[in-house]
Amino acid sequence: AQTVTQSQPEMSVQEAETVTLSCTYDTSESNYYLFWYKQPPSRQMILVIRQEAYKQQNATENRFSVNFQKAAKSFSLKISDSQLGDTAMYFCAFMKQETSGSRLTFGEGTQLTVNP
Amino acid sequence: DGGITQSPKYLFRKEGQNVTLSCEQNLNHDAMYWYRQDPGQGLRLIYYSQIVNDFQKGDIAEGYSVSREKKESFPLTVTSAQKNPTAFYLCASNWDGSSYNEQFFGPGTRLTVL
Repeated sequence: AQTVTQSQPEMSVQEAETVTLSCTYDTSESNYYLFWYKQPPSRQMILVIRQEAYKQQNATENRFSVNFQKAAKSFSLKISDSQLGDTAMYFCAFMKQETSGSRLTFGEGTQLTVNP
Repeated sequence: DGGITQSPKYLFRKEGQNVTLSCEQNLNHDAMYWYRQDPGQGLRLIYYSQIVNDFQKGDIAEGYSVSREKKESFPLTVTSAQKNPTAFYLCASNWDGSSYNEQFFGPGTRLTVL
């Protein structure tokens, strides 16, 4: 079974600064997908960024980028130029394809607070 | 507008009662999922369905039941056998259950057992 670990329950950052959220996972699969989801106070889950394991290039989406280290099974999220609206719970998630469909395995989450 | 709706937003239940949470999507997605979220924990998969009239147990299916009679609907019943049902429940969907397709989430239902 896959496991996802987020070792930072809470983090804070000053507005306009950069912050990195950590995620490690454990799997014996070679082909899989990794995601970062954001859950603001509204509790609506929003996809931030995704990474295909077969791609060596790190994914980027505007101010969000990942550092994907497949051998180390590490998938950290970097947020540049942090904004107040980035305040949210961030979840790292792992997905592999199964015959009966895809399943997401989530980490415990990191609560990020952006301070003015 | 396309999306996923969950109702009600808040639900209160007395111990020993069954309750059904609604999830509807108009995205024409094939696959649908139910997750449970507890404080300090990530989302855990309860049930999922890749096609109509077929569904599979997730990691914490005990005390829950589902049906998938229509493509757009995937209701979750929390039965009296679920010992600790108070939680936040999220429904999600994606195109065909393949790994590349992100899951889209509904706004959630907060269930409280009185």
